[in-house]
Amino acid sequence: EVQLVESGGGLVQPGRSLRLSCAASGFTFDDYAMHWVRQAPGKGLEWVSGISWNSGSIGYADSVKGRFTIFRDNAKNFLDLQMNSLRAEDTALYYCARYSGYDLWGNYFDSWGQGTLVTVSS
Amino acid sequence: QSALTQPPSASGSPGQSVTISCTGTSSDVGSYYYVSWYQQYPGKAPKLMIYEVSKRPSGVPDRFSGSKSGNTASLTVSGLQAEDEADYYCSSYAGSNNLRVFGGGTKLTVL
Repeated sequence: EVQLVESGGGLVQPGRSLRLSCAASGFTFDDYAMHWVRQAPGKGLEWVSGISWNSGSIGYADSVKGRFTIFRDNAKNFLDLQMNSLRAEDTALYYCARYSGYDLWGNYFDSWGQGTLVTVSS
Repeated sequence: QSALTQPPSASGSPGQSVTISCTGTSSDVGSYYYVSWYQQYPGKAPKLMIYEVSKRPSGVPDRFSGSKSGNTASLTVSGLQAEDEADYYCSSYAGSNNLRVFGGGTKLTVL
C-alpha cells in the first residue's frame, strides 16, 4: 500500500524558514516523480513544486520560485521542501503527492499524503 | 500561472446527473490530454477520480465520467448518490514551465 507521511509543519514567523519532509513507503520511490501541493484554509488546491525521479527536472510555481527548494533522497525514500522567506500567504496544508510517471511531463497525482500544516504568523 | 475556472457550486438530486466544467486556456486544457479530476471530502486528502480527460482509476464508479472540448474539460456524475457530496478539483498539465494548474474547486451538493 502506498503511504506518504508528511512532517515538519508548524507555526513560524514571517521571513523565517521551515523544512517539510515526506516519508514514502509501499512503492519503489525512484520510479516516480513527486510533488508538493498546498491548500490554504478554506481554499482550493495549489500546485507548489515537482521533482522528477532522478531530480533531473524540477519545477516551481511562480508564487514560491526563488524561496522554496524541493529535494528528494531516493536512498532514504524522502521528499523534502525547504521553505525560506516565508510569508503569511504561504499558510496552508502542504500535501506530498505521487505523480503517475517518472518525469514531470503530463501525468497526474495518483496518491496523496494527509498533509502537514504550515502557519506563518507573528 | 492562472487557475483553471470552475463554478464554485453545483447541485442535483439523488439519481440525477450533474456536470462540472473546468475552463482553461490554449496553454493548458486546450493543448493537452492531461486533465485530471480529484474528489475531496472535508478534512481529507484529495482522491483521483479521472485522469487523462476521461479515464477512471480502478475502484472509481463508472458513474463518474470526463470529457474535453477545446479549452474546457468537464466532469459528469450520473446517478447522484449522497456519498458524492464533496469538493471536486480539476487539474491540467500546463507545459514544461508552469507544469501543473488546478481549478478553484466546485462544491457538489446532493439535495
